Amino acid sequence: DAKTTQPPSMDCAEGRAANLPCNHSTISGNEYVYWYRQIHSQGPQYIIHGLKNNETNEMASLIITEDRKSSTLILPHATLRDTAVYYCIVSLPNAGGTSYGKLTFGQGTILTVHP
Amino acid sequence: ETGVTQSPTHLIKTRGQQVTLRCSSQSGHNTVSWYQQALGQGPQFIFQYYREEENGRGNFPPRFSGLQFPNYSSELNVNALELDDSALYLCASSLGGLAGSYEQYFGPGTRLTVT
Repeated sequence: DAKTTQPPSMDCAEGRAANLPCNHSTISGNEYVYWYRQIHSQGPQYIIHGLKNNETNEMASLIITEDRKSSTLILPHATLRDTAVYYCIVSLPNAGGTSYGKLTFGQGTILTVHP
Repeated sequence: ETGVTQSPTHLIKTRGQQVTLRCSSQSGHNTVSWYQQALGQGPQFIFQYYREEENGRGNFPPRFSGLQFPNYSSELNVNALELDDSALYLCASSLGGLAGSYEQYFGPGTRLTVT
């Protein structure tokens, strides 16, 4: 599995956009970029994933560079409830059979949203 | 649609004992993955079950074993408990296979303390 590098912590003001970077320079052609977050004492929560195109859903946007070596998760209007550890993960899709969606979590980025 | 549930919530065991943790997957999901999360660390992949068969294993000893049942619920068994087994155990369900989804949905976890 490709390894990811994230800053250990970031701060953001409530209502502003939070931009969380991730480096994954050894990503292979068929690996996806996933983002999960974990609020204290809860199980991780899926946020978004992408292969090479930018993606957007109701929670966030994912921007992947053209060479796929890095990506940015954007929370457009951060709230206090977005305070969590954010994990950027590179993994094969969860296709069962010979490949499987093993998620290799690193240390993640602790995002603190301030009032 | 019911979410992922785990039982028990908390558990205290003595070194050398055996423990069984349970996970009910989300409705319609056929894949369950188990993760161990030590305090202050990201979750570590233990193994995955797809349609009742083990479909990948992380770097955990054989005393960590599992089962998946026809209804796709799952058990994690740990024999000969060691102090270092104290952790939050998370299960995640997903839809695997050719028409599989990409995201995994995590339960709230079981907090195991070994004394």
